[in-house]
Amino acid sequence: NAGVTQTPKFQVLKTGQSMTLQCAQDMNHEYMSWYRQDPGMGLRLIHYSVGAGITDQGEVPNGYNVSRSTTEDFPLRLLSAAPSQTSVYFCASSTDGTGGLADTQYFGPGTRLTVL
Amino acid sequence: AQSVTQLDSHVSVSEGTPVLLRCNYSSSYSPSLFWYVQHPNKGLQLLLKYTSAATLVKGINGFEAEFKKSETSFHLTKPSAHMSDAAEYFCADYSSASKIIFGSGTRLSIRP
Repeated sequence: NAGVTQTPKFQVLKTGQSMTLQCAQDMNHEYMSWYRQDPGMGLRLIHYSVGAGITDQGEVPNGYNVSRSTTEDFPLRLLSAAPSQTSVYFCASSTDGTGGLADTQYFGPGTRLTVL
Repeated sequence: AQSVTQLDSHVSVSEGTPVLLRCNYSSSYSPSLFWYVQHPNKGLQLLLKYTSAATLVKGINGFEAEFKKSETSFHLTKPSAHMSDAAEYFCADYSSASKIIFGSGTRLSIRP
């Protein structure tokens, strides 16, 4: 049981390039989400999904796309990278995303992205 | 708008002394509140969560938090700090739309 995995761990992009951050979980969780972490700002929700085929926007969705074709995978796409997207990105998953007694969110190890 | 406020960006205590990390929330409904810990270059790990079952919640590694509705607070405490507790701590609240709102974090330093 690997939990939540993210690839790559580190990435450097030039402004305007596109890329996909990969996230996968093997716990059969319905809820998956992407956050970005910036100094002094905590974690901010980018996009989330409550199940395969369903995605929705979080707090800071601009410049990012997501899709959820399977329960296991939730890739995050940067369409045209900008220096403001330099950040650490975390993927997370949980049973149903309701925050109830049985719902615990598990985080991946993060992807450190630098946009030059 | 819903928000979570961590009142201290940095807390420094001596090893063996109590720890208090403060968190206030703004939900008007009954919140689901969480504390996470993040060690350097690691992901977030759940310490404890409040979901209205009990106001005093015990978590891992000797941490606990008390939910006080009248003060809209969910402060994290530990009776005796250990060097391994040095990390960043985040308070979080689930909104009604499957969205978690995080505080800005408190960096805990432990002095020998």
